[in-house]
Amino acid sequence: NFMLTQPHSVSESPGKTVTISCTGSSGSIARSYVQWLQQRPGSAPTTVISDDDQRPSGVPDRFSGSIDTSSNSASLTISGLKTEDEADYYCQSYDLSSQSVVFGGGTKLTVL
Amino acid sequence: QVQLVQSGGGVVQPGRSLRLSCSGSGFRFSNYAVHWVRQAPGKGLQWVAVISYDGRNKYYGDSVKGRFTISRDNSKNTLNLQMNSLRPEDTAVYYCARDLGYDYTQVYYWGQGALVTVSS
Repeated sequence: NFMLTQPHSVSESPGKTVTISCTGSSGSIARSYVQWLQQRPGSAPTTVISDDDQRPSGVPDRFSGSIDTSSNSASLTISGLKTEDEADYYCQSYDLSSQSVVFGGGTKLTVL
Repeated sequence: QVQLVQSGGGVVQPGRSLRLSCSGSGFRFSNYAVHWVRQAPGKGLQWVAVISYDGRNKYYGDSVKGRFTISRDNSKNTLNLQMNSLRPEDTAVYYCARDLGYDYTQVYYWGQGALVTVSS
């Protein structure tokens, strides 16, 4: 089955830029859209990127998404980091062969 | 605005049943696929099930297949999850979530979550 792998944690300083990767286990990650979710402690997830690289209304343009087919991976980049960006981030896609939604394991972002 | 309001949840003994519900508003409920996703304490997100916009197609994660049933009532803008033969490992916060569209691929808007604890 298709799996998504993320780093367990990343940390960076306020004002800097961080990139979180999401690597597909097999096949092409481009076969189905990748979405990125932000989850702050004690809250439900919210979507920060959909359709690989689209920002929902209300999401700051500091958040951007991309796909790299050569490495079979997706990336979430957050620039101008703020302490409020500290959260868990999950990538999500769809496995066409098993007809199931797939989540990455999540990455804890620390802004310090 | 899009809202998903959940009800149900609680403490239940292993082997028993529980039903979760989710009411959608702020959008045409009958136009969208809807999912259930769960999160065990301190763990990541795990997809549970999805139902198509018209209720005809249903898909389940391997860990709940044969025990959980997803259903919807478009006349009442309501999504349900019937959970039978519950196990301690089903303990989690359960979220209902609306898809971005009709094709089940992006879990976009989320409810507030409901805690289910399976314990004797």
